[in-house]
Amino acid sequence: DAKTTQPTSMDCAEGRAANLPCNHSTISGNEYVYWYRQIHSQGPQYIIHGLKNNETNEMASLIITEDRKSSTLILPHATLRDTAVYYCIVRPQGGSEKLVFGKGTKLTVNP
Amino acid sequence: GAVVSQHPSWVICKSGTSVKIECRSLDFQATTMFWYRQFPKQSLMLMATSNEGSKATYEQGVEKDKFLINHASLTLSTLTVTSAHPEDSSFYICSSPGGSGMSYEQYFGPGTRLTVT
Repeated sequence: DAKTTQPTSMDCAEGRAANLPCNHSTISGNEYVYWYRQIHSQGPQYIIHGLKNNETNEMASLIITEDRKSSTLILPHATLRDTAVYYCIVRPQGGSEKLVFGKGTKLTVNP
Repeated sequence: GAVVSQHPSWVICKSGTSVKIECRSLDFQATTMFWYRQFPKQSLMLMATSNEGSKATYEQGVEKDKFLINHASLTLSTLTVTSAHPEDSSFYICSSPGGSGMSYEQYFGPGTRLTVT
């Protein structure tokens, strides 16, 4: 079973920041927080991951609380192309570790 | 980033026939390949993990004799759905951790939509 809890759906206005929360209260010390997204009828796409420090890349920012029990993915300027299902996953860092997908959050960016 | 391709992108077959789905790593050697299945409006569910040159490991509840996985080379893994039935209609996706230096994420193929009539 997935070890994360996310809202089922969220809406965001184009050009505004999208903040997607994730609860992972049972996260272990060696587990990272990963975010993937899946645009309709495509394979998932890696966004970002982190252990305990905040992370930023060209796609998004990841804010992890100090107790590591929750995190927020931030898309700073959402576009219509960011409409997708966003999955928050916790697992050890190694790429060979399998991914267990929860239900994710369906983000709809509105014009 | 690493590129994973799948073929075909979609396929329609008749009940009782077998269908083969190919998953290729185009610019890296895929030692490990994961196969997922996704039903409409549901999340991805891991079916099996394959390692090059060895037998695949199937998740609980997945019939290994029905979903045959072959990972005979470092760039190709195949999933064969044998004696397909309408309930096997789904979106099948493969992924791989990528090659050396790209071990922290997985790269997904574009998926194959299977419809069994």
